[in-house]
Amino acid sequence: KAGVTQTPRYLIKTRGQQVTLSCSPISGHRSVSWYQQTPGQGLQFLFEYFSETQRNKGNFPGRFSGRQFSNSRSEMNVSTLELGDSALYLCASSRDRGHEQYFGPGTRLTVT
Amino acid sequence: KQEVTQIPAALSVPEGENLVLNCSFTDSAIYNLQWFRQDPGKGLTSLLLIQSSQREQTSGRLNASLDKSSGRSTLYIAASQPGDSATYLCAASYGGATNKLIFGTGTLLAVQP
Repeated sequence: KAGVTQTPRYLIKTRGQQVTLSCSPISGHRSVSWYQQTPGQGLQFLFEYFSETQRNKGNFPGRFSGRQFSNSRSEMNVSTLELGDSALYLCASSRDRGHEQYFGPGTRLTVT
Repeated sequence: KQEVTQIPAALSVPEGENLVLNCSFTDSAIYNLQWFRQDPGKGLTSLLLIQSSQREQTSGRLNASLDKSSGRSTLYIAASQPGDSATYLCAASYGGATNKLIFGTGTLLAVQP
């Protein structure tokens, strides 16, 4: 079956702009989590959605937001981009908590 | 504070060698632990998931163990191959009503042909 897909794969934005990233989970998976990966901080949890509800949120500013649709697809939005937002953004899907999590290929965001 | 650490940060071995990667976690109330590999610039590939009630899991040449009392997990790779070269990450889940993973900093493995 198809894996987790993320679009776009690469993005270049300017400081102050906003960006929306998309994640389509594996069919049947209702949990979608988002992570930010940077060389300095490693992988950090952003938030998790389950059945269209945010179930947990990491320690990121309010400029980072997300949502999940009824088909379990999820989007995350970053407003007022800063240089420090440059990172690889990864999403993961699973059936529910405690189940194996599967990651997508990521979206590489560069803020100039 | 729940933290996960991995030692060593980097490892280089000759092809064919058996090796062990280490993962330590500060909070023993772990729900499960998952091992991943990441190739440069790519996403994470799940290798093994160990539930808190399990002591080990095996998949092919990989064997992962979990010792909650000591706060440690190890990933054993048998007969290493150049294709095993990647960064290996462990991630702990503490359950509750969330799937949040707390990641270690990773071990960069290079298998020399």
